Amino acid sequence: QKEVEQNSGPLSVPEGAIASLNCTYSDRGSQSFFWYRQYSGKSPELIMFIYSNGDKEDGRFTAQLNKASQYVSLLIRDSQPSDSATYLCAVSGDYKLSFGAGTTVTVRA
Amino acid sequence: GAVVSQHPSWVICKSGTSVKIECRSLDFQATTMFWYRQFPKQSLMLMATSNEGSKATYEQGVEKDKFLINHASLTLSTLTVTSAHPEDSSFYICSARGRVSNEQFFGPGTRLTVL
Repeated sequence: QKEVEQNSGPLSVPEGAIASLNCTYSDRGSQSFFWYRQYSGKSPELIMFIYSNGDKEDGRFTAQLNKASQYVSLLIRDSQPSDSATYLCAVSGDYKLSFGAGTTVTVRA
Repeated sequence: GAVVSQHPSWVICKSGTSVKIECRSLDFQATTMFWYRQFPKQSLMLMATSNEGSKATYEQGVEKDKFLINHASLTLSTLTVTSAHPEDSSFYICSARGRVSNEQFFGPGTRLTVL
């Protein structure tokens, strides 16, 4: 499987702040990039996907992709306690997903 | 959105027994289904990929005779853990992909505990 690296955290941010999550990947042929949120004991849920270089915004979430640097990030604006979870970066070049180990985010009220 | 169910949500069994986990796509036809395993504090590891009507493709290091996968229809795939041992205790998650989208829709997962 392709290598996907994430900072394991935990990342602690105060409520209302911006949480910034980073992900790098090894396979230059990767074409699709996903961010999933996983609460403890639950399966992942898709937050965003991005295919093209640049930024993609969806509500409080912004994904950024830089294929030249093999880097994808996720910004969570106005962080809420309900955003406390593990965030998984996933990369796909075909139809399979390769997941990073995840970054645990804790939003302090 | 697309819904994927798994059954059972949790199971406890004795060492040496076999356990079957079902994964169903409820409102779409899943041409491809994926089975993942997740150990505590670790990420999801792909075990195998199955296409309807054909044999599953297993990832390196996954024993195909121990983890039997059947994808008999476009809405159902099953994973059977044969002769389960305590080291097989894990969170098993399936996902399904339809014909059109690259997106995988995840089931809620099955927590397997082998005593």
